Amino acid sequence: AQSVSQHNHHVILSEAASLELGCNYSYGGTVNLFWYVQYPGQHLQLLLKYFSGDPLVKGIKGFEAEFIKSKFSFNLRKPSVQWSDTAEYFCAVNSMMNSGYSTLTFGKGTMLLVSP
Amino acid sequence: KAGVTQTPRYLIKTRGQQVTLSCSPISGHRSVSWYQQTPGQGLQFLFEYFSETQRNKGNFPGRFSGRQFSNSRSEMNVSTLELGDSALYLCASSLQGRGQETQYFGPGTRLLVL
Repeated sequence: AQSVSQHNHHVILSEAASLELGCNYSYGGTVNLFWYVQYPGQHLQLLLKYFSGDPLVKGIKGFEAEFIKSKFSFNLRKPSVQWSDTAEYFCAVNSMMNSGYSTLTFGKGTMLLVSP
Repeated sequence: KAGVTQTPRYLIKTRGQQVTLSCSPISGHRSVSWYQQTPGQGLQFLFEYFSETQRNKGNFPGRFSGRQFSNSRSEMNVSTLELGDSALYLCASSLQGRGQETQYFGPGTRLLVL
């Protein structure tokens, strides 16, 4: 079974600091990769996604992620975080399961706290 | 366009009872997936429905079941509730459930089992 690993459960940063959240997955075949964010009291929202092409993808609110196939990684980055980025971030992988249809496997999430 | 809606938003049940949760997908979306979110296990896939058929199922006991109606609305049912079933249950919809499609999540139903 495939798995997704997020390296940090909690990250605390000051405003304007740079952010990098790690994500590694185990599946060796073709994958679709996602980062979702859950702001306090809100539902999961898509930040960005990667299917193919340029391995550096840009999402909303200044976030970007880089797909490195050889490392099975899809790390999320932001050059300068803001207090409003305080949220829980989830990496997710979508691959073809035995049934022939795909589903999302999520990492355990990283809680980011940005202090003003 | 209205987002994914889930009802009820909160539920309190006791052990042994059963519960039914409802999900209305975004208009035009035919694939509905259900996930369980807990602090310890994170988000775990329950099952996915498309055109009233369950296409995919996660590693959950048979007490967890679901169905989808012709208008794509979906329900999930948990019978003989256990304390460990306390969780946030999330519904997500997409156009056809293909791998490259974005899944759009609802606000969830928070279930507390006493």
